Amino acid sequence: NAGVTQTPKFQVLKTGQSMTLQCAQDMNHNSMYWYRQDPGMGLRLIYYSASEGTTDKGEVPNGYNVSRLNKREFSLRLESAAPSQTSVYFCASSTLGQGDTEAFFGQGTRLTVV
Amino acid sequence: GQQVMQIPQYQHVQEGEDFTTYCNSSTTLSNIQWYKQRPGGHPVFLIQLVKSGEVKKQKRLTFQFGEAKKNSSLHITATQTTDVGTYFCAGSQAGTALIFGKGTTLSVSS
Repeated sequence: NAGVTQTPKFQVLKTGQSMTLQCAQDMNHNSMYWYRQDPGMGLRLIYYSASEGTTDKGEVPNGYNVSRLNKREFSLRLESAAPSQTSVYFCASSTLGQGDTEAFFGQGTRLTVV
Repeated sequence: GQQVMQIPQYQHVQEGEDFTTYCNSSTTLSNIQWYKQRPGGHPVFLIQLVKSGEVKKQKRLTFQFGEAKKNSSLHITATQTTDVGTYFCAGSQAGTALIFGKGTTLSVSS
């Protein structure tokens, strides 16, 4: 039982390059999330998917797109990377209840845009 | 939109002292959760509070949820070096995503 798996763990991009961060969970959770973490800013929600086939914007969606490929997988795409997107990205998943229950996080992707 | 504020941002204590972090939401929450993140790690779930006025304990950690379900606190008694990390509160309304506070980073000197 791997939980939430994110790839890659580290990535360096040049400004303007594109890339996709992959996330998969094996806990049969309905909800999946992408957060970014910057020093002093906590965890900010980029996008989330309450269930397969649905996605919604979070607090900081600009510059990102997401795809809920199936119940297990939720990917985050940077179409044209900018230095302001240098951050640690976390994918998380949870069951959908009356208010979400416990969220399980992946190990994170440390992205640097130069 | 929903905002979750957390104070203090940083706290340094001597080992054995107590520590408290406070969380306030701009809206009434259906539940509040607490997470701990060790340096270089990912957030790990500690507890969820659902009921108004709820108090839960985990060994030296005491969690409270306010009567109005808009605020919460985490209190650690007699801190240890293993308590070092960043503590986040996260709140949600029914069917919505978790919104995290900015966290309180705790350092402990022995």
